[in-house]
Amino acid sequence: GAGVSQSPRYKVAKRGQDVALRCDPISGHVSLFWYQQALGQGPEFLTYFQNEAQLDKSGLPSDRFFAERPEGSVSTLKIQRTQQEDSAVYLCASSPYGGGTPNEQFFGPGTRLTVL
Amino acid sequence: GENVEQHPSTLSVQEGDSAVIKCTYSDSASNYFPWYKQELGKGPQLIIDIRSNVGEKKDQRIAVTLNKTAKHFSLHITETQPEDSAVYFCAAQRRSGGSNYKLTFGKGTLLTVNP
Repeated sequence: GAGVSQSPRYKVAKRGQDVALRCDPISGHVSLFWYQQALGQGPEFLTYFQNEAQLDKSGLPSDRFFAERPEGSVSTLKIQRTQQEDSAVYLCASSPYGGGTPNEQFFGPGTRLTVL
Repeated sequence: GENVEQHPSTLSVQEGDSAVIKCTYSDSASNYFPWYKQELGKGPQLIIDIRSNVGEKKDQRIAVTLNKTAKHFSLHITETQPEDSAVYFCAAQRRSGGSNYKLTFGKGTLLTVNP
């Protein structure tokens, strides 16, 4: 079956522009995560959804970052007034379950955002 | 919060040799420890994981060991092949804030297997 897909794969934005990054998780997966991966670093947690509920947004770096998953499937990460420090790969991951024992997160290929 | 340290940052081995990557974590409540392989331009892919009630797990050429007392875990790859070349990440996960299972990653190890 299809894995996690993300679009666009690459995005170049001018400083100050707004961007929207899309994630299509594996069908039926309850949990959805967004991570930010700076060059040469490990992914860092941004936010977590269980179905349509955003249960943790403690990793969002500023109020310019906003994420939603209105119908409990597709998710969008929006960054307003982009800054150069927002340049990174944004990874989406999904997981089958929403509670109980931790289990594998399946990652998408990421969206590479470059802010000029 | 959780902090994961990973060493070494780069590792170069000859084909057929073994490779070992080590990680330590800080949060004793962490109970799930996956290892991911990331190739250029791709997302991380799980290669093996271990839970806190197990000390060692093996899958063909790959094994992971966990020492909960010392709070460290290691990845062992035997009989390395050129296609093992990639960046490897360790991670730790704990239940926090209800049903949140966010992963905390190490900084990664660039493994190069020379033919």
